[in-house]
Amino acid sequence: GQSLEQPSEVTAVEGAIVQINCTYQTSGFYGLSWYQQHDGGAPTFLSYNALDGLEETGRFSSFLSRSDSYGYLLLQELQMKDSASYFCAAVIYNQGGKLIFGQGTELSVKP
Amino acid sequence: DAGVTQSPTHLIKTRGQHVTLRCSPISGHKSVSWYQQVLGQGPQFIFQYYEKEERGRGNFPDRFSARQFPNYSSELNVNALLLGDSALYLCAAARGPQEPETQYFGPGTRLLVL
Repeated sequence: GQSLEQPSEVTAVEGAIVQINCTYQTSGFYGLSWYQQHDGGAPTFLSYNALDGLEETGRFSSFLSRSDSYGYLLLQELQMKDSASYFCAAVIYNQGGKLIFGQGTELSVKP
Repeated sequence: DAGVTQSPTHLIKTRGQHVTLRCSPISGHKSVSWYQQVLGQGPQFIFQYYEKEERGRGNFPDRFSARQFPNYSSELNVNALLLGDSALYLCAAARGPQEPETQYFGPGTRLLVL
């Protein structure tokens, strides 16, 4: 089967750094994406890794290790508005492309 | 450019009824995918359409069907609704079928089946 595992919840304080891990077991894996979702709204794209290594986009960074089937999202200088659900999603190609999502990590940022 | 739009935003149906959900992608985005998100879980892939053809289908029963129109908008139909179909239905657009990593999601249609 296809599955992605990530922690269900993480709590951190404003200004801190938090890392959300994701391990995956999928076939047809092409890369790993990360999405943010506030209170059941539209998931918004944060970052994508097709190759091993670190991708940096402002306060957010994402890492992928294909050999370990592992990735993480790093959020720096946390702000209250970062409180949301974060999903890792495997990019799968099989007669077209699709995303296989993890269950999501709820991040709570405390003052 | 306007983002991905979906209608209606909320819907209440009873068991056994059918429902049609609509999605309009971003201009120039020809691939439309549908996802179901049950409360507390990640979105699950239902369909992908590109150039009016089905390019992928997730593990959903035949009660679920979809189509794409010449203007790249799309409809998701669900027949014989069950209580378990209550969920947020998300539409996502991409420029092509091989670009799922850069999909843009709409705000979703929240369906409640009573």
